[in-house]
Amino acid sequence: GAVVSQHPSWVICKSGTSVKIECRSLDFQATTMFWYRQFPKQSLMLMATSNEGSKATYEQGVEKDKFLINHASLTLSTLTVTSAHPEDSSFYICSARDSAGAHEQYFGPGTRLTVT
Amino acid sequence: SQELEQSPQSLIVQEGKNLTINCTSSKTLYGLYWYKQKYGEGLIFLMMLQKGGEEKSHEKITAKLDEKKQQSSLHITASQPSHAGIYLCGADEGGKLIFGQGTELSVKP
Repeated sequence: GAVVSQHPSWVICKSGTSVKIECRSLDFQATTMFWYRQFPKQSLMLMATSNEGSKATYEQGVEKDKFLINHASLTLSTLTVTSAHPEDSSFYICSARDSAGAHEQYFGPGTRLTVT
Repeated sequence: SQELEQSPQSLIVQEGKNLTINCTSSKTLYGLYWYKQKYGEGLIFLMMLQKGGEEKSHEKITAKLDEKKQQSSLHITASQPSHAGIYLCGADEGGKLIFGQGTELSVKP
């Protein structure tokens, strides 16, 4: 089946630094990828829709200048958390929709970000 | 925007017992997804329902979508410890998935 990977799987960074998280579709092309964040014991909250070759669409309340998204190829989207603060600590999950397939979204394993 | 309400929020059952998780939408559903998640891990796709009255089964898990396409249920028969985890329903809203708050299932051996 379709596989989505994320890198890194976990990262610890200091407050004020930036962190980049990669999301790759390994065996299919994805013109659209999605970024979610999940706090402990809570559901997934959609942050933004990443479109290959164009600007990302952010959900209401998500700061686009803080969470930079780049979807430079059909298999890679990146999320950069800029000037990270402890409140940005969370579990970030990406998903990818197969451009050639139906409506299923395939999810990555997630990235645990801890900002100290 | 669409909202999904899941019930119950958490559930503890004895191994071997049946259970049902419900998902109610504020709007008509055009695609309803069920996923399972172990805490701190990614989502495992279970089933997708699109048509009113549709029912799908996989192993001991059955998902249904009502005729009005505003409610879905996930039923597990003869639960096992391997069924433990967080169950999430998701709705297709213009190509993006919006999730319910999740139901945390614990199965006591």
